[in-house]
Amino acid sequence: AQSVTQLGSHVSVSEGALVLLRCNYSSSVPPYLFWYVQYPNQGLQLLLKYTSAATLVKGINGFEAEFKKSETSFHLTKPSAHMSDAAEYFCAVTSPGNDYKLSFGAGTTVTVRA
Amino acid sequence: ETGVTQSPTHLIKTRGQQVTLRCSSQSGHNTVSWYQQALGQGPQFIFQYYREEENGRGNFPPRFSGLQFPNYSSELNVNALELDDSALYLCASSSQGDGELFFGEGSRLTVL
Repeated sequence: AQSVTQLGSHVSVSEGALVLLRCNYSSSVPPYLFWYVQYPNQGLQLLLKYTSAATLVKGINGFEAEFKKSETSFHLTKPSAHMSDAAEYFCAVTSPGNDYKLSFGAGTTVTVRA
Repeated sequence: ETGVTQSPTHLIKTRGQQVTLRCSSQSGHNTVSWYQQALGQGPQFIFQYYREEENGRGNFPPRFSGLQFPNYSSELNVNALELDDSALYLCASSSQGDGELFFGEGSRLTVL
């Protein structure tokens, strides 16, 4: 079975400050990892994905994440928060043999203070 | 390029009723997945359809069923609705093996 744990259900940052969202995964096979963002009353939008290529993955809107096998982590960062980053963020895991059936974490809500 | 569209966007049902949710996949995508997102939680995988056949199912009872049509659109049917079925139901389409899901905006079901 595969699963992810997102540490911290709510994160509050000041505009211009670093955004750090934590995700740890559990998988018995090499994982594929994803970060999605969800704005209020909308579906999920892919921010970035790791599929066994480069361990540092760059995504949209200035986000990036680093796959660390030794720590079973895939934390999401953005150097400078913008007001438009206020949303809910989900980490998800699957594997090549699982036909991209995703297991999602519980989500982290980000608020950005002016 | 048309994205994933879902209908209806909102609906209210009562316990014991049945509901059908619809999804049109993105052009060129042959795989459709359905997820249930309860309030304050992450999406939970219900099932996936590929070439009109169910291709994997999550931990949901048989009263959750689906269909995929030759044009790759899909339906999610839920019978004997329960209060806990209240959730946002998300449809996602993909090309098999592509590795990226494209989500619709969801259908929000309220069961009273």
